[in-house]
Amino acid sequence: GAVVSQHPSRVICKSGTSVKIECRSLDFQATTMFWYRQFPKQSLMLMATSNEGSKATYEQGVEKDKFLINHASLTLSTLTVTSAHPEDSSFYICGGGLYEQFFGPGTRLTVL
Amino acid sequence: AQTVTQSQPEMSVQEAETVTLSCTYDTSESDYYLFWYKQPPSRQMILVIRQEAYKQQNATENRFSVNFQKAAKSFSLKISDSQLGDAAMYFCAFSLQGGSEKLVFGKGTKLTVNP
Repeated sequence: GAVVSQHPSRVICKSGTSVKIECRSLDFQATTMFWYRQFPKQSLMLMATSNEGSKATYEQGVEKDKFLINHASLTLSTLTVTSAHPEDSSFYICGGGLYEQFFGPGTRLTVL
Repeated sequence: AQTVTQSQPEMSVQEAETVTLSCTYDTSESDYYLFWYKQPPSRQMILVIRQEAYKQQNATENRFSVNFQKAAKSFSLKISDSQLGDAAMYFCAFSLQGGSEKLVFGKGTKLTVNP
């Protein structure tokens, strides 16, 4: 299957700071990538769809000014959590693919 | 909107035995894709099996097979000869266009494999 990398795997930051998470497709070109959030013992919830060269599409209830998404190339999408607060602490996963979706290993964000 | 329901929060199976995980979904579309993903403790999502709705034949991948009942909107996963490494969360997911469309996930089933 396709390979998706994600960096960093874990980040701890202070409240009010911004954190950038990178998602790379290593062996395929992704015009579309997806960002999910997973709370402990829960399922994955789609946050937004990242579109190469255009604006991201956000799911209802997701603050687009807080979760900035950039998809500047066919192999890189980034999610920036701006002015992070403790309630933003979660596990963030990116995914993409052609006939099926493959996922990065995820990023555990802890906001103190 | 599409929904995916997994009615079994937890399941357990003895090593070498067979277990079936249930999944139902709701959609008004006729063409779509269904998936089962495995999430071990590492939290890496791993694709287990994929089924295209237009295919009548049930998908199989080694010890994993599905029972796809389109009219009933049911998509169960059968794991044969269960192994300790099969222990994980299993998520059923729905998509309208394979990898280029968003996935809608069920709540998951935690599978325990007993030695």
